[in-house]
Amino acid sequence: GNSVTQMEGPVTLSEEAFLTINCTYTATGYPSLFWYVQYPGEGLQLLLKATKADDKGSNKGFEATYRKETTSFHLEKGSVQVSDSAVYFCAPEGGGAGNMLTFGGGTRLMVKP
Amino acid sequence: DAGVIQSPRHEVTEMGQEVTLRCKPISGHNSLFWYRQTMMRGLELLIYFNNNVPIDDSGMPEDRFSAKMPNASFSTLKIQPSEPRDSAVYFCASSLKGGQGYGYTFGSGTRLTVV
Repeated sequence: GNSVTQMEGPVTLSEEAFLTINCTYTATGYPSLFWYVQYPGEGLQLLLKATKADDKGSNKGFEATYRKETTSFHLEKGSVQVSDSAVYFCAPEGGGAGNMLTFGGGTRLMVKP
Repeated sequence: DAGVIQSPRHEVTEMGQEVTLRCKPISGHNSLFWYRQTMMRGLELLIYFNNNVPIDDSGMPEDRFSAKMPNASFSTLKIQPSEPRDSAVYFCASSLKGGQGYGYTFGSGTRLTVV
């Protein structure tokens, strides 16, 4: 089955700093890739996705590029805000008709003013 | 669409009592998932259904846990009897099976505290 490795947190940054959260995966074929975000006290929300190699998903200033060669889908943001403080989950989708997501362990981001 | 709806949002119960968590998936979605989240273990998949049929319940921790999906618009997760170690946030998510790149939509969760 699929597996995901995310950088361990917590990641602590100052406001307006550059963010990178690394994600690498193992999967059969070329799965769709997702980033979910979980704000305190809430459920997971889809942040962005990419469905094929070299695609770039983007939302709310966050970006991630589907890198087939390195099986990676690193999350980046040029200037973080305090409101970005949350837990971020990387998730590749299973192949075939299963469409199951495999979630990473999550990376907690704390942004200080 | 109102999204995935879970109830109750918070539940506090005494050890040994029966607890029932409820989920209404998004209309038209044919896959439903129950997850448990704790600080120690992170996000764990308990069980999932396709077209109301349980497909994989290998994540259900013990026989005290059971889940049902009597129709496409409703599912329950029951714990009987409950124990303090069951305290966690339980999430329901739904998706469209066969829709590659569709992803899951999660509910807001039920925070269960067993005292």
